[in-house]
Amino acid sequence: SQTIHQWPATLVQPVGSPLSLECTVEGTSNPNLYWYRQAAGRGLQLLFYSVGIGQISSEVPQNLSASRPQDRQFILSSKKLLLSDSGFYLCAWQERDRYEQYFGPGTRLTVT
Amino acid sequence: AQSVAQPEDQVNVAEGNPLTVKCTYSVSGNPYLFWYVQYPNRGLQFLLKYITGDNLVKGSYGFEAEFNKSQTSFHLKKPSALVSDSALYFCAKDAGNMLTFGGGTRLMVKP
Repeated sequence: SQTIHQWPATLVQPVGSPLSLECTVEGTSNPNLYWYRQAAGRGLQLLFYSVGIGQISSEVPQNLSASRPQDRQFILSSKKLLLSDSGFYLCAWQERDRYEQYFGPGTRLTVT
Repeated sequence: AQSVAQPEDQVNVAEGNPLTVKCTYSVSGNPYLFWYVQYPNRGLQFLLKYITGDNLVKGSYGFEAEFNKSQTSFHLKKPSALVSDSALYFCAKDAGNMLTFGGGTRLMVKP
């Protein structure tokens, strides 16, 4: 069966520090991968998605970036965090011939 | 633009009563529709989907959803609510390689 991992689970970082969040998927090949941010426990904002290694689409221009160095690995990064980057970050995957997405457990980021 | 609307920020229901969480969508071809549930500090869990076929779709934990093309709605239902159903619910619609999510509805089931 497929599983999705995210780490770390929680992170507290000062303003201006770098960020690296990692997401990995097991039990599937060539999935579509997604990064979302959820602020204030409500709406989801799609940040990036990837349909293959090295292929990244950005939905919202900001100081975040994403990379997909391996088929089942998706990384969210920032060189300098802002207070507004605080939130709950969710990774998700989707099989190519299906439509539903499956979500990881999330990372709670607090920028101080 | 593709959109999904959840008109209620919160739904309150007594345990044992039927529940409905509403969702409407913008029209564009044949919609693929989904419901997810989120418990506090957790990722979203997939509940059910409508792709084609019967308008009444059954999913996890006793939930079901009714696709109504004429009303462009996909309401989530359960015949008898449990306190443990209290959570945040999201409706979503396929948009190519992406999903468009509604703003979420908080369901509160009171004992």
